[in-house]
Amino acid sequence: NAGVTQTPKFQVLKTGQSMTLQCAQDMNHEYMSWYRQDPGMGLRLIHYSVGAGITDQGEVPNGYNVSRSTTEDFPLRLLSAAPSQTSVYFCASSYAAPGLGEQYFGPGTRLTVT
Amino acid sequence: GENVEQHPSTLSVQEGDSAVIKCTYSDSASNYFPWYKQELGKGPQLIIDIRSNVGEKKDQRIAVTLNKTAKHFSLHITETQPEDSAVYFCAAISGNTPLVFGKGTRLSVIA
Repeated sequence: NAGVTQTPKFQVLKTGQSMTLQCAQDMNHEYMSWYRQDPGMGLRLIHYSVGAGITDQGEVPNGYNVSRSTTEDFPLRLLSAAPSQTSVYFCASSYAAPGLGEQYFGPGTRLTVT
Repeated sequence: GENVEQHPSTLSVQEGDSAVIKCTYSDSASNYFPWYKQELGKGPQLIIDIRSNVGEKKDQRIAVTLNKTAKHFSLHITETQPEDSAVYFCAAISGNTPLVFGKGTRLSVIA
């Protein structure tokens, strides 16, 4: 099993550009999440999904879109990048809701918006 | 919603000493408390967790204690080693809601 994979590892965008951060898992997990990590702020939830076709907002959803067309993939879209979105982004998956199953994290994508 | 406070933000210990990281939570309905370790350049990894029906759990050199009355839980690492140097996150959850994380503690073990 590859676990949770994320691409790209690094990305530099200009303000206003759009892009998609890819996340895939091969563990047949239903629950997937996107977090952003900023210095001194810990991990903040952006969006999550409890299964294919179902998504919901987390603590900091503004400026991001998600979709879940398959169990394996959970892409995160930045519609119009802003410097405030400079961060490290982590995707995570678990068999069930995090309180019921271990949450596995991907290696992260470091995004810089200039 | 749930709010998790974590202290200290940085911690330095001598190799072989113990390290303790403390977290408090606000939602008395929270019932699951995991701890994650994040090494440099990697994603967080679960190292130990505890549920609300248990007061203490140990796994070799690491242990977690939970005080439901005071709404706080702690991570204890004994006989620290250089490879324990990392950022540690606590988290809390109630039912099927998403995890809420503390802001993290950067632990440095000095050889």
